[in-house]
Amino acid sequence: ETGVTQSPTHLIKTRGQQVTLRCSSQSGHNTVSWYQQALGQGPQFIFQYYREEENGRGNFPPRFSGLQFPNYSSELNVNALELDDSALYLCASSLDGGSAGELFFGEGSRLTVL
Amino acid sequence: LAKTTQPISMDSYEGQEVNITCSHNNIATNDYITWYQQFPSQGPRFIIQGYKTKVTNEVASLFIPADRKSSTLSLPRVSLSDTAVYYCLVGDPISSGSARQLTFGSGTQLTVLP
Repeated sequence: ETGVTQSPTHLIKTRGQQVTLRCSSQSGHNTVSWYQQALGQGPQFIFQYYREEENGRGNFPPRFSGLQFPNYSSELNVNALELDDSALYLCASSLDGGSAGELFFGEGSRLTVL
Repeated sequence: LAKTTQPISMDSYEGQEVNITCSHNNIATNDYITWYQQFPSQGPRFIIQGYKTKVTNEVASLFIPADRKSSTLSLPRVSLSDTAVYYCLVGDPISSGSARQLTFGSGTQLTVLP
């Protein structure tokens, strides 16, 4: 167990709807990053939050947005859902500048868009 | 970001040593090499990280030649529970507030047979 928790674990939405996914980072970690993993593919970096600021973004459109709260928990919001947004969404926390460079991943939120 | 190339799949038998090689020809001077393991419907889990020569921990060894253009993850005496996807990643783990975007390839599906 990594100490990173995500909710919900599974959800089903229809095209055009909006979704919010939540992540609680491991205690003491101030950095959260989000990844999208389509079936059979490796995780793809969406963005990272460090001390409540977005400080890096992958190749995802603006309808993917996020927040990090003072307790370092985080949300991923996706607007105007498309069928291709169906994927496992992974949250990873880390302590920036840590010696090992290890990311601690949660179990993910499985989103199905119909 | 350095691109990595790994075999798509490998089969092995219980009790054997498994070596998975990853190519990363354009690795940068500050880049470390990190391996993650992922079981179905779970988040990736850190296995090992190294910069050069050899690194060993309780679960694996990582061999990195002098030119650092490739690396080999060695799993001693695999068991059925080692069946998983293994990802090789290359990047600078020391972000100090800047985004540490990890690029996952498609990984290597290791299947351990009885």
